[in-house]
Amino acid sequence: GAGVSQSPSNKVTEKGKDVELRCDPISGHTALYWYRQSLGQGLEFLIYFQGNSAPDKSGLPSDRFSAERTGGSVSTLTIQRTQQEDSAVYLCASSPALGREKLFFGSGTQLSVL
Amino acid sequence: RKEVEQDPGPFNVPEGATVAFNCTYSNSASQSFFWYRQDCRKEPKLLMSVYSSGNEDGRFTAQLNRASQYISLLIRDSKLSDSATYLCEGSSNTGKLIFGQGTTLQVKP
Repeated sequence: GAGVSQSPSNKVTEKGKDVELRCDPISGHTALYWYRQSLGQGLEFLIYFQGNSAPDKSGLPSDRFSAERTGGSVSTLTIQRTQQEDSAVYLCASSPALGREKLFFGSGTQLSVL
Repeated sequence: RKEVEQDPGPFNVPEGATVAFNCTYSNSASQSFFWYRQDCRKEPKLLMSVYSSGNEDGRFTAQLNRASQYISLLIRDSKLSDSATYLCEGSSNTGKLIFGQGTTLQVKP
């Protein structure tokens, strides 16, 4: 597609359930980022992938959070045993290269944990 | 100290005013900076790149001050449609791209 695609756009889940959020970056972009944004707050870095290098997971808030990127393209962010404080918009972004390029964002997944 | 910091505002200005935002960064090795605009409940979208020599695009001017480690965004002749949150992006010392909290601008008629 022409842009970064994220699915689902909205996800409502019950506390304790696992959720998977998907990101399909722009074709050819080697860098992929996940951010989290709570209402009225800035972007909180979670994790990024660059090509075949080991991902930088330093922003993941707990071991309930994990992400993978298969084949250097699609990425999945998984949150296990969701908590109410996990409610936020999860934004994915891709970039042609690491560190020196602007980011192109998907429209995000609004996660609500009841 | 946060790696990238912004004054969250809000900045309330009348139409036609000139307004400036600053964004400070701690990683002196950062090479690239960008300003993004984020409308309510939307994703951030690139507004401008920030070059050492300064960058101007119509009513918008972005500048980088390496000595004091900040970048700025100047908006001249503010329009109602400029109301949004403006995010600055820089890189951490490990290379990951990080954002300031965002500065909210409200342009009033």
